[in-house]
Amino acid sequence: DAGVTQSPTHLIKTRGQQVTLRCSPKSGHDTVSWYQQALGQGPQFIFQYYEEEERQRGNFPDRFSGHQFPNYSSELNVNALLLGDSALYLCASSWVGTGKMYGYTFGSGTRLTVV
Amino acid sequence: GESVGLHLPTLSVQEGDNSIINCAYSNSASDYFIWYKQESGKGPQFIIDIRSNMDKRQGQRVTVLLNKTVKHLSLQIAATQPGDSAVYFCAEKLTGFQKLVFGTGTRLLVSP
Repeated sequence: DAGVTQSPTHLIKTRGQQVTLRCSPKSGHDTVSWYQQALGQGPQFIFQYYEEEERQRGNFPDRFSGHQFPNYSSELNVNALLLGDSALYLCASSWVGTGKMYGYTFGSGTRLTVV
Repeated sequence: GESVGLHLPTLSVQEGDNSIINCAYSNSASDYFIWYKQESGKGPQFIIDIRSNMDKRQGQRVTVLLNKTVKHLSLQIAATQPGDSAVYFCAEKLTGFQKLVFGTGTRLLVSP
């Protein structure tokens, strides 16, 4: 059973460019959350998608946007890249039943370097 | 505000010892807690979780203890092995929200 898969694994972009990261959730999971992890820090919540809509959002600017597709996969888009956007971007999938969250599973992440 | 912190940034133990990693959380409205292990260059790996209606939960070689009175969470690893060397994060979920709030992590170093 495949877990959460993310692509690409590594990416180098120039300041000002735009980037799209992709995530396929674990089988049976319908919710996708994105996190940013700076070096030496814990992951920070960006936003979460459920039923193709953004349900919750962390303290990130509008340059960060996303999308969820009918097959539950998701994309994270970042516009006008800044040097400070360099980080490991993690996708986590889960499912919600009777109001509880289950199976919160992370992918291996995409390492984004902005130069 | 939301915060999940760890008392010790680095914990060094000998192989075979029992390890205890501690975590303090500040939000009494949190209803779900997860411990993750993260190795260099990899995503966080689920270790064990506990809901707020429990005080203790055991897995294979790991035990999580939750003390809601003092808002404290701990992860106990029995017979620690070199392969347990990694950064460990505790994460909390607030009631009514689906996001996790992470601390900065504790590095566990296991010497053979």
